[in-house]
Amino acid sequence: AQSVTQPDIHITVSEGASLELRCNYSYGATPYLFWYVQSPGQGLQLLLKYFSGDTLVQGIKGFEAEFKRSQSSFNLRKPSVHWSDAAEYFCAVGAGYSSASKIIFGSGTRLSIRP
Amino acid sequence: KAGVTQTPRYLIKTRGQQVTLSCSPISGHRSVSWYQQTPGQGLQFLFEYFSETQRNKGNFPGRFSGRQFSNSRSEMNVSTLELGDSALYLCASSPTGFNTGELFFGEGSRLTVL
Repeated sequence: AQSVTQPDIHITVSEGASLELRCNYSYGATPYLFWYVQSPGQGLQLLLKYFSGDTLVQGIKGFEAEFKRSQSSFNLRKPSVHWSDAAEYFCAVGAGYSSASKIIFGSGTRLSIRP
Repeated sequence: KAGVTQTPRYLIKTRGQQVTLSCSPISGHRSVSWYQQTPGQGLQFLFEYFSETQRNKGNFPGRFSGRQFSNSRSEMNVSTLELGDSALYLCASSPTGFNTGELFFGEGSRLTVL
């Protein structure tokens, strides 16, 4: 069965420091992978997506993620975080051209920024 | 282009009442999905509509229902509210009938049941 694991519930980093949020997935075929961000009281916004091709994908707000098939991972990175990056981040896996019911979201990682 | 619009943003109801939430998708988007988000359960899929037809339904009781209109706007209804229905209800739209997972979310409707 499909599953997505975000092992870190809460991470705190200092402003200006680098960030890596972990995501591991379980899926039988080549997955469609996503990172979404949710600011407090808001809906989710797509940061980036991986469908195929280059395994390093660039997203909005300076984020990037790397798909590693051998490790079943799709970790999100940012070289230097800003206070406005404080939010909850969700990794998601989709089956590719299927119903939205097939999209599995991770439980989320809450990011806090230390001034 | 306007984003996904959900109304109302906040509402308070008491147990036993019913509630209707509305979602207007991005213009041209025909698929609308609904999710319930709670601190304990995370994001849970409620149902998905495409061209006025419910394509899939998540594992929720029959008290949760929805519909989609010809202009793609969607409503969801929860009857006989329970305390556990307190949650953020998110609507998401996508342009085509088949979903890659690229969803466009509204800001949600925060429901509190007292």
